Amino acid sequence: GAVVSQHPSWVICKSGTSVKIECRSLDFQATTMFWYRQFPKQSLMLMATSNEGSKATYEQGVEKDKFLINHASLTLSTLTVTSAHPEDSSFYICSARDPPGVEQYFGPGTRLTVT
Amino acid sequence: AQSVTQLGSHVSVSEGALVLLRCNYSSSVPPYLFWYVQYPNQGLQLLLKYTSAATLVKGINGFEAEFKKSETSFHLTKPSAHMSDAAEYFCAVSPAPGGADGLTFGKGTHLIIQP
Repeated sequence: GAVVSQHPSWVICKSGTSVKIECRSLDFQATTMFWYRQFPKQSLMLMATSNEGSKATYEQGVEKDKFLINHASLTLSTLTVTSAHPEDSSFYICSARDPPGVEQYFGPGTRLTVT
Repeated sequence: AQSVTQLGSHVSVSEGALVLLRCNYSSSVPPYLFWYVQYPNQGLQLLLKYTSAATLVKGINGFEAEFKKSETSFHLTKPSAHMSDAAEYFCAVSPAPGGADGLTFGKGTHLIIQP
């Protein structure tokens, strides 16, 4: 089946620094990847849609300058949290669609803690 | 625009009893509907999906769901609960066709299995 990986699985960084999270589709080419954010014991909120070779589409209320998304290849999308603050601490999950299927395959998530 | 409402943030059933997790959706266009399961500190695993074919959808681990347009519902059921079913369950909607959009999730239902 379709497998999506994320790296790192958890990261701790200091306030003001930047951190990059990678999302890879391991056995399929994903023209579209998605980034979600999940607060403790809450649902997933879509942050942005990442399309290979083009700019990401951000959901309303998501700061594009803070959450930089790059989808440079058909198997890799990256999310960079810039100038991280403690309120950015969260569980970040990516997903990818394996066309022509409609379901999304989710990565295992990245736990970000900003101190 | 679409939205998902999951009734009951926590559902507790005895092992061997029927599992019923409720999901109602709102969509301005014909929807694709999904149920995902999430175990602690993990990503999401697809249980089943509705993509406008059969209204009764069978998924993995003995789960099934029925799409009822008149009730705008997509409830998840399993005839006999197992201890390993204890997890967080999310209902999600995406506008059809194509599945190129991100998913809108419900708030989730925590399923507790009593021995």
